[in-house]
Amino acid sequence: KQEVTQIPAALSVPEGENLVLNCSFTDSAIYNLQWFRQDPGKGLTSLLLIQSSQREQTSGRLNASLDKSSGRSTLYIAASQPGDSATYLCAVFTGNQFYFGTGTSLTVIP
Amino acid sequence: EAEVAQSPRYKITEKSQAVAFWCDPISGHATLYWYRQILGQGPELLVQFQDESVVDDSQLPKDRFSAERLKGVDSTLKIQPAELGDSAMYLCASSPQGGWGNTEAFFGQGTRLTVV
Repeated sequence: KQEVTQIPAALSVPEGENLVLNCSFTDSAIYNLQWFRQDPGKGLTSLLLIQSSQREQTSGRLNASLDKSSGRSTLYIAASQPGDSATYLCAVFTGNQFYFGTGTSLTVIP
Repeated sequence: EAEVAQSPRYKITEKSQAVAFWCDPISGHATLYWYRQILGQGPELLVQFQDESVVDDSQLPKDRFSAERLKGVDSTLKIQPAELGDSAMYLCASSPQGGWGNTEAFFGQGTRLTVV
């Protein structure tokens, strides 16, 4: 069974800092990896989708990389803002379903 | 912008009562998922539909949970009877049928269930 791990579980940074969130998965046979944002008590908002053949995707201040062979992905957030405070989840798609990590809770301090 | 709609947003129910959640996926999306997310954890799949057919319900507690997607459009998830351990966020997601690399999940706002 696919296992997805996210490190760290929680992160607190001052506004303006660049930061990296990590995601690892045990089975490299994936079709894509998706990063989501979840605000407290809300659903999941898709941030970036990286296909298995891609190395990275960028959207604004967000950059996600994928190293399928080593089972790792990183989400880089540049110039963090208080509005970035949320839980960030990664999910891998195996062709059958999406497997999620437990998330990284990010707090950006003004 | 098209969204996955879920209702209700919040539900409080007494244990042993029945409860139902509704989901309307993005129009044209063939695949529909129900996930359960316990506080502090990642979502876990309960059931997956392809059109009106169940593709995977191996994680669905079938003694108390049921799900249907009549006509392959909207879907209902039911719990009867509810137990205290069912308190969680229930998330519905849909994805279009397409190339696997492009398969992207779109989630609704979820239903927060509290069983008392």
